[in-house]
Amino acid sequence: AQTVTQSQPEMSVQEAETVTLSCTYDTSENNYYLFWYKQPPSRQMILVIRQEAYKQQNATENRFSVNFQKAAKSFSLKISDSQLGDTAMYFCAFITNSGYALNFGKGTSLLVTP
Amino acid sequence: EAGVTQSPTHLIKTRGQQATLRCSPISGHTSVYWYQQALGLGLQFLLWYDEGEERNRGNFPPRFSGRQFPNYSSELNVNALELEDSALYLCASSSQAGGSFFDTQYFGPGTRLTVL
Repeated sequence: AQTVTQSQPEMSVQEAETVTLSCTYDTSENNYYLFWYKQPPSRQMILVIRQEAYKQQNATENRFSVNFQKAAKSFSLKISDSQLGDTAMYFCAFITNSGYALNFGKGTSLLVTP
Repeated sequence: EAGVTQSPTHLIKTRGQQATLRCSPISGHTSVYWYQQALGLGLQFLLWYDEGEERNRGNFPPRFSGRQFPNYSSELNVNALELEDSALYLCASSSQAGGSFFDTQYFGPGTRLTVL
């Protein structure tokens, strides 16, 4: 079975602080891609960052970075200098080379407070 | 460049009716995916279309169906609506022919379907 677990249903962080969202996944395959998507209250699912499993270097996109631990099947998202606009539901997802659809976690609701 | 668009934004139907949801992919994208986001269930894969063909479907009954048109836009039809079909339906598109797994899927804003 291919599953994604996001163990933090809700998190809160103050503006300008750093927060880390956790994600673990399970797959027997060796070649896959991992993603973090953000879904603000407007509902539009927006790609935040993606990581190729064969790359050891952690992906970074501006204030967003990941900590990818392949052996542990862990893929956490770090948001630095949090902004009010970061308030959203964050979904961790992956897709394998034998798959076609994204496997999503249930999401973490992040609230950034002033 | 325009993103993925979906229509309508909201749709209200009664049990037993049929619903039709529409999706236009990003220009140049040939693959369209449909996902259902029901409360408490996360996103579940529904259907994948590529080059006009249904390539795969998730664990949903046959009353969920659709098609992809020559311009790569897609339609999702839900027949004999049930209360539990109430959900946000998200469409995504990707650019690789055949829906190569490594190509990022970009999502539309969704259609909120409410079944009364």
